[in-house]
Amino acid sequence: DIVMTQTPLSLSVTPGQPASISCKSSQSLLHSDGKTYLYWYLQKPGQSPQLLIYEVSSRFSGVPDRFSGSGSGTDFTLKISRVEAEDVGVYYCMQGIHLPPTFGQGTKLEIK
Amino acid sequence: EVQLVESGGGLVQPGGSLRLSCAASGFTFSSYWMSWVRQAPGKGLEWVANIKQDGSEKYYVDSVKGRFTISRDNAKNSLYLQMNSLRAEDTAVYYCARYQLLHPGGYFDLWGRGTLVTVSS
Repeated sequence: DIVMTQTPLSLSVTPGQPASISCKSSQSLLHSDGKTYLYWYLQKPGQSPQLLIYEVSSRFSGVPDRFSGSGSGTDFTLKISRVEAEDVGVYYCMQGIHLPPTFGQGTKLEIK
Repeated sequence: EVQLVESGGGLVQPGGSLRLSCAASGFTFSSYWMSWVRQAPGKGLEWVANIKQDGSEKYYVDSVKGRFTISRDNAKNSLYLQMNSLRAEDTAVYYCARYQLLHPGGYFDLWGRGTLVTVSS
């Protein structure tokens, strides 16, 4: 199975400041079709996960443009340009190139 | 409204059985692969099982193979998870999720609110 490793596991950010989360996979997520199957989810407190980013850098419907994804191969980053109070929760990266789909451990974002 | 609503969770003794259900609405259920994903208390997300639109293909995480069975009834817009020989380590919130199958792989684009399964004596 592909192992997904996130850093940091927690971060505390002042509203209006940027935040960045790293995700590394144990195998390349680049497929021969040219797509890279890396996804980001946010699980807000008491809620189910919601899709933020698909295929590394495409924002899902309704996701604010302060969220952006980047990376390639095995190294990926989720950035929030200006953190807002509603962004608190746990962020997960997930690989979708092979079964079983596997998630990172999660990064808990708190507001200072 | 597009939504998934799980039910059937509860407290069960080790070795017992439980059947989870997921009611889908607001989209053409029969057109999508569906999945179960679980989350142990205070832990991360773990995919459990997938099922194809017509039920002809099913996949499971190794830890539940031979114990759990995923199924669906497209006429009732419902997904199920039959869980047998339950263990303490199966304790988790179980989410029903819509799976967008790509070739290869896929991702989850719609989640239910989850149902809690507790395995304890």
